[in-house]
Amino acid sequence: SQTIHQWPATLVQPVGSPLSLECTVEGTSNPNLYWYRQAAGRGLQLLFYSVGIGQISSEVPQNLSASRPQDRQFILSSKKLLLSDSGFYLCAWETGGDGNTIYFGEGSWLTVV
Amino acid sequence: SQQGEEDPQALSIQEGENATMNCSYKTSINNLQWYRQNSGRGLVHLILIRSNEREKHSGRLRVTLDTSKKSSSLLITASRAADTASYFCATWGGSYIPTFGRGTSLIVHP
Repeated sequence: SQTIHQWPATLVQPVGSPLSLECTVEGTSNPNLYWYRQAAGRGLQLLFYSVGIGQISSEVPQNLSASRPQDRQFILSSKKLLLSDSGFYLCAWETGGDGNTIYFGEGSWLTVV
Repeated sequence: SQQGEEDPQALSIQEGENATMNCSYKTSINNLQWYRQNSGRGLVHLILIRSNEREKHSGRLRVTLDTSKKSSSLLITASRAADTASYFCATWGGSYIPTFGRGTSLIVHP
């Protein structure tokens, strides 16, 4: 069966420090991968999506970047965090595009202080 | 802008009552999906309804879809305290871009 792992679950980082959140998917191949951010009590904002290795599309210009070094690995990074980067980050995957079920990781809580 | 928008933003009911939440969207869709999110957790898929379907059931969940009005509703019957969560509808604004509304926060009081 397919599973998705996302880590770390929680982190507190100072302003100006780097960030790396990692997501891996098991049990499927060539998934479409997504990073969402959710501010407290708000909806999901799509940050990046990837339809293949090395293919990254950015939905919102910001202080973050994403990479997909392997088929089932998706990494969210920042060189210098801002206070406004605080939030709940969710990785997700699906296969086929255009309306298939989306599977989410458990999320990563980021607090920038 | 959001493709799907849920309302109400918040809903508070007593255990045993029914809970209804709505989703409106803007463009044509192939299907619409509902998800549930417990506080501080990832989203979990509840039900998918295709554009050629008008109603779908899954346990205590009933989903309707009106493509002429570009709207969907999620009904939870005989609610339980464990149904307390946020509920989101998801639609596809393009081949690879699922978008979510801001969600309905449901509180079921025991």
